[in-house]
Amino acid sequence: SQQGEEDPQALSIQEGENATMNCSYKTSINNLQWYRQNSGRGLVHLILIRSNEREKHSGRLRVTLDTSKKSSSLLITASRAADTASYFCAQGLEYGNKLVFGAGTILRVKS
Amino acid sequence: ETGVTQTPRHLVMGMTNKKSLKCEQHLGHNAMYWYKQSAKKPLELMFVYNFKEQTENNSVPSRFSPECPNSSHLFLHLHTLQPEDSALYLCASSQGASGGNEQFFGPGTRLTVL
Repeated sequence: SQQGEEDPQALSIQEGENATMNCSYKTSINNLQWYRQNSGRGLVHLILIRSNEREKHSGRLRVTLDTSKKSSSLLITASRAADTASYFCAQGLEYGNKLVFGAGTILRVKS
Repeated sequence: ETGVTQTPRHLVMGMTNKKSLKCEQHLGHNAMYWYKQSAKKPLELMFVYNFKEQTENNSVPSRFSPECPNSSHLFLHLHTLQPEDSALYLCASSQGASGGNEQFFGPGTRLTVL
């Protein structure tokens, strides 16, 4: 299976704290993407990091990529209650025309 | 909003019914996707269309029949479904379908099969 894994499965933190989610994958990738999903809704693209990049920032988001370990992490700094959602990593495969999604991390930010 | 709309948002159907899900994208993209999201399972890719041509069928049972009349519209025709087909069905689009382009998702159709 090409499917990657995310860790932790669930994370509960206080508002203002940082949240870190990890993603491991198995295939050769063109890029690694992170998406967010509010309960029962569609996914929203957050950030894309290419295979030749090691770190990328977007607002309160920081993504790292280690292709030697086939892993990525998403850091949300100064979390807010509105960050409560599920977060998914998705492998943009080097070959083929699809994304392979992980199982996701459920983040709960308590106010 | 992401520029991808899905109708209906909720659907309840019996196992003998025939229904269709509709997806429309207003982004000028040329690739469209159907995904199935079941409780406690990863997002499952069902079908990929690129320039109206199906480029991927992820071993989906024939009771699910996709149709892509043009690059802006995608349908999923449903017939003789099973209760285990109850799930959130998500449509997405992207500019091109290679190398893992950013995908834009619709809000989904929550399907319940009785």
